[in-house]
Amino acid sequence: EAQVTQNPRYLITVTGKKLTVTCSQNMNHEYMSWYRQDPGLGLRQIYYSMNVEVTDKGDVPEGYKVSRKEKRNFPLILESPSPNQTSLYFCASTNRGLPNTEAFFGQGTRLTVV
Amino acid sequence: KQEVTQIPAALSVPEGENLVLNCSFTDSAIYNLQWFRQDPGKGLTSLLLIQSSQREQTSGRLNASLDKSSGRSTLYIAASQPGDSATYLCADPYSSITPRGSEKLVFGKGTKLTVNP
Repeated sequence: EAQVTQNPRYLITVTGKKLTVTCSQNMNHEYMSWYRQDPGLGLRQIYYSMNVEVTDKGDVPEGYKVSRKEKRNFPLILESPSPNQTSLYFCASTNRGLPNTEAFFGQGTRLTVV
Repeated sequence: KQEVTQIPAALSVPEGENLVLNCSFTDSAIYNLQWFRQDPGKGLTSLLLIQSSQREQTSGRLNASLDKSSGRSTLYIAASQPGDSATYLCADPYSSITPRGSEKLVFGKGTKLTVNP
């Protein structure tokens, strides 16, 4: 089954403790992205990757890092999480670059930073 | 800058009713538009993708239309069921190759639909 898998689904952590949210897709997609969803603000892109070792900032990259060492994986790293990073995070992948392709999303990771 | 708006923010209907969800966008030079469904605490499920060359796309009880000239897309749900209760999001893909590549979906804030038994 074609899917985007995120882990963990839920995470509560303390301010400053480094964490990684993993994302993996089994569709051999080139493009992958991270979004965060906040009440009243909707979904906003954090980072995206067009291929292995090619990443770029989205609209709200501050406080986040990403890496793309393998085509199927695109982890999101929070080096020093802060309470304003409490949010619902989604990973997405597309077969090739937008706009001519359908995007597939993971189930989301709800992060709480206390 | 592309902006996507969905009105109303919330909608409550009785079971069996046909309904229309609206999505408007500011830049008519879009390539396609994608509709998603989001259940509480869950991910986004793609419902329909309408290419710019298409006027509409159908899947089961769902029908999505796209009118670039007016900057609008609608999602029509026929014979609504309680299981249709969810938040529906529309998204416009933005792609810019130069000077700095940008590949993202620009989302509306969604319409929360409740179908009452």
